[in-house]
Amino acid sequence: DAKTTQPNSMESNEEEPVHLPCNHSTISGTDYIHWYRQLPSQGPEYVIHGLTSNVNNRMASLEIAEDRKSSTLILHRATLRDAAVYYCILRDGVSGTYKYIFGTGTRLKVLA
Amino acid sequence: EPEVTQTPSHQVTQMGQEVILRCVPISNHLYFYWYRQILGQKVEFLVSFYNNEISEKSEIFDDQFSVERPDGSNFTLKIRSTKLEDSAMYFCASSSPTAGYNSPLHFGNGTRLTVT
Repeated sequence: DAKTTQPNSMESNEEEPVHLPCNHSTISGTDYIHWYRQLPSQGPEYVIHGLTSNVNNRMASLEIAEDRKSSTLILHRATLRDAAVYYCILRDGVSGTYKYIFGTGTRLKVLA
Repeated sequence: EPEVTQTPSHQVTQMGQEVILRCVPISNHLYFYWYRQILGQKVEFLVSFYNNEISEKSEIFDDQFSVERPDGSNFTLKIRSTKLEDSAMYFCASSSPTAGYNSPLHFGNGTRLTVT
């Protein structure tokens, strides 16, 4: 799986938007970009995924750069419950593998 | 919303003992996984399971580990002879085949295994 690079930690104020960056300069044409998060003392939780176009769901938005070498997860209004480790993961959409390889992620701290 | 459930939430065992961790995946899912997370470290892939057989496994998943789907609902991870370094949080996950290779994984909240 291609490598991703994320900042170790970020801070945000409650009720403000948060932009979590991910660099993936070696992404291949068939790699999908997935985001998961892990709340304290819980298992990872799916957030969003995309290939080329920006994506929105009830949890977040995913902005993908035109060259696909980077992406940004956007939480529109951070709440205290969004404090978690956020993982950006690349998965090949055609390789036949279903596993996800987690990196170290970004630890998001939300300030009240 | 359906969820993956894992039991027990905490298991303490002595070194050398066998331990079985249990999971009930989401009912219509067909792909099953075990991951582990040693305290303060990354979430590590152990094994994936489909159609009653292992489809992929990592280097961590050696002969001491085995998985089984003994009936239509449970998915188990057995460690035959536990070592101190097996102490970790073990997460079960499942996914539906409907979205293909991009089906989101649904994780349980884990079993904390402590080997003494």
